[in-house]
Amino acid sequence: SYELTQPPSVSVSPGQTARITCSGDALPKQYGYWYQQKPGQAPVLVIYKDSERPSGIPERFSGSSSGTTVTLTISGVQAEDEADYYCQSADSSGTYWVFGGGTKLTVL
Amino acid sequence: EVQLVQSGAEVKKPGESLKISCKGSGYSFTNYWIGWVRQMPGKGLEWMGIIYPDDSDTRYSPSFQGQVTISADKSISAAYLQWSSLKASDTAMYYCATSGIAVTGPGFDYWGQGTLVTVSS
Repeated sequence: SYELTQPPSVSVSPGQTARITCSGDALPKQYGYWYQQKPGQAPVLVIYKDSERPSGIPERFSGSSSGTTVTLTISGVQAEDEADYYCQSADSSGTYWVFGGGTKLTVL
Repeated sequence: EVQLVQSGAEVKKPGESLKISCKGSGYSFTNYWIGWVRQMPGKGLEWMGIIYPDDSDTRYSPSFQGQVTISADKSISAAYLQWSSLKASDTAMYYCATSGIAVTGPGFDYWGQGTLVTVSS
């Protein structure tokens, strides 16, 4: 079955830039989506269609795509950005959707 | 305002059946995919499947095909996730979420608050 691969953890100091990658064979054909999940809360969509930001999401969140990898970038990381981040996409046919394993972002 | 309100927490025994619900409001329920996501304790998100309420077109993850049933009742704007025989390994938080209301493509834009299912003898 189709899989998306993320690093388990990323650590940054406040004010620095955090980059979280997500790799999958179908990403050149399918859009990537990113979710933020804080403890005890439902996930929140922060990036859709590789690089679009939903209403209400701070401008420091951005996304990009290159080949089989999509990347979530958080510029000027704040303590409140500490959370788990999940990428999500679909297989090449678009029939089955899948989440990456998640990345724990630690703000030092 | 789009809202997805899920049914309350459940505690069940292995072998019992269960049906949890997700009621949508603030949008045209029949015209947008609605899906289910599992999160086992301390683990990541898993896509279980999605349903299009207007015609009940349903797609299951191969990992969940045959293990659960996803359904919808468009007359009351509700989606359901059902088990016929629960196992301890079904213990998890289950989220419903919509797709296509605020954003296009295979992503979830609005989420329910989650339903915690605990299966224990």
